[in-house]
Amino acid sequence: KNQVEQSPQSLIILEGKNCTLQCNYTVSPFSNLRWYKQDTGRGPVSLTIMTFSENTKSNGRYTATLDADTKQSSLHITASQLSDSASYICVVASGGSYIPTFGRGTSLIVHP
Amino acid sequence: GAVVSQHPSRVICKSGTSVKIECRSLDFQATTMFWYRQFPKQSLMLMATSNEGSKATYEQGVEKDKFLINHASLTLSTLTVTSAHPEDSSFYICSASVLILAEISTDTQYFGPGTRLTVL
Repeated sequence: KNQVEQSPQSLIILEGKNCTLQCNYTVSPFSNLRWYKQDTGRGPVSLTIMTFSENTKSNGRYTATLDADTKQSSLHITASQLSDSASYICVVASGGSYIPTFGRGTSLIVHP
Repeated sequence: GAVVSQHPSRVICKSGTSVKIECRSLDFQATTMFWYRQFPKQSLMLMATSNEGSKATYEQGVEKDKFLINHASLTLSTLTVTSAHPEDSSFYICSASVLILAEISTDTQYFGPGTRLTVL
């Protein structure tokens, strides 16, 4: 069964600090992995997308890594801002199917 | 970038009434649209997948007669919650994608802003 596990479930950090969110998956065959940011009461917004051959991708202060061998991904947020407070969702797509598997998300709260 | 809109953004209705939610892709033609439901502090749960001009494919446990999906064109899909009950209160999100068969590994879902449904 395809699964995506995210950790931690929630995280509280101070403004300006860095943090790393984890995503482990068992989706097979692997097609691509995306990180989304979802603000409360809004739809998810794509941050990064990585295919099998990519092991790092950046989008501003967001850097995603992918280890296809260990089936792990991380999202690193640098110099956090209050606006980074949101839920971060890891989504993995399986080859041959356009229906992806969603993680439960990590709720990030950035305090001033 | 691709934009997906939803209307209404928020709706409150009485128990027993039906509610229609629209999902539109504004600047691209979507071959496939997805409908999700999200309860507080939980992840998105896929309800159904629809392709233009064909019947929607519902996920296990989702009542197709209660959640009617119509995908009349490449830019519009509608979800109608029939005879709504308080337990149907949730955040409904649609997404649209353009599936390029030769590049299936890079297909992307573009999400709408969501519709908050409250059934009294």
